[in-house]
Amino acid sequence: AIQMTQSPSSLSASVGDRVTVTCRASQGIRNDLGWYQQKPGKAPKFLIYAASSLQSGVPSRFSGSGSGTDFTLTISSLQPEDFATYYCLQDYNSPWTFGQGTKVEIK
Amino acid sequence: EVQLVESGGGLVQPGGSLRLSCAASGFTFSSYWMSWVRQAPGKGLEWVANIKQDGSEKYHVDSVKGRFTISRDNAKNSLYLQMDSLRAEDTAVYYCARVMIVATTTGLDYWGQGTLVTVSS
Repeated sequence: AIQMTQSPSSLSASVGDRVTVTCRASQGIRNDLGWYQQKPGKAPKFLIYAASSLQSGVPSRFSGSGSGTDFTLTISSLQPEDFATYYCLQDYNSPWTFGQGTKVEIK
Repeated sequence: EVQLVESGGGLVQPGGSLRLSCAASGFTFSSYWMSWVRQAPGKGLEWVANIKQDGSEKYHVDSVKGRFTISRDNAKNSLYLQMDSLRAEDTAVYYCARVMIVATTTGLDYWGQGTLVTVSS
């Protein structure tokens, strides 16, 4: 199975900060990667597909990049509602695998 | 409006069985792959299974192969997860999710609210 390694596991940031989360695949996955946001007690929310395509309705401060094995989720200016845990998911082949998550906390 | 509503969770003893259901509405259910994803308490997300539109292809994570089976009834707009030989480590919130397909890429674009399965004696 493809392993997805996310970093950091947590970070503290202030409103307005630029935040970057990375995800590394154990083998090449083209651009078959998505990003999800989860708040406590809630279902995940789909943010980005195909590594860099913004899902409809997602604010433009979210962006994704990467291809092959290295991927990045960037929040250009952190907003109060963005404090959450973020996961990457590779859907290149089965079994699909998630990264372990990155918790974005308030500094 | 797309809605996915899971049901069937609860407390079950180790070795027992449970069948989860997911009622879909607001879209043409038979046109989409569907998934189950779980989350153990305080842990991250784990993909569990996928099923093709007509049920002809199914994929399961290794940790549940031979114990869990994903299925669907397109006439009832429903997705299922039959869980047998349950273990303590299967304790989790189970989410059903729709698989979006855009060109050659996919993603889980809509999720249910989840149903909690607790395996304990």
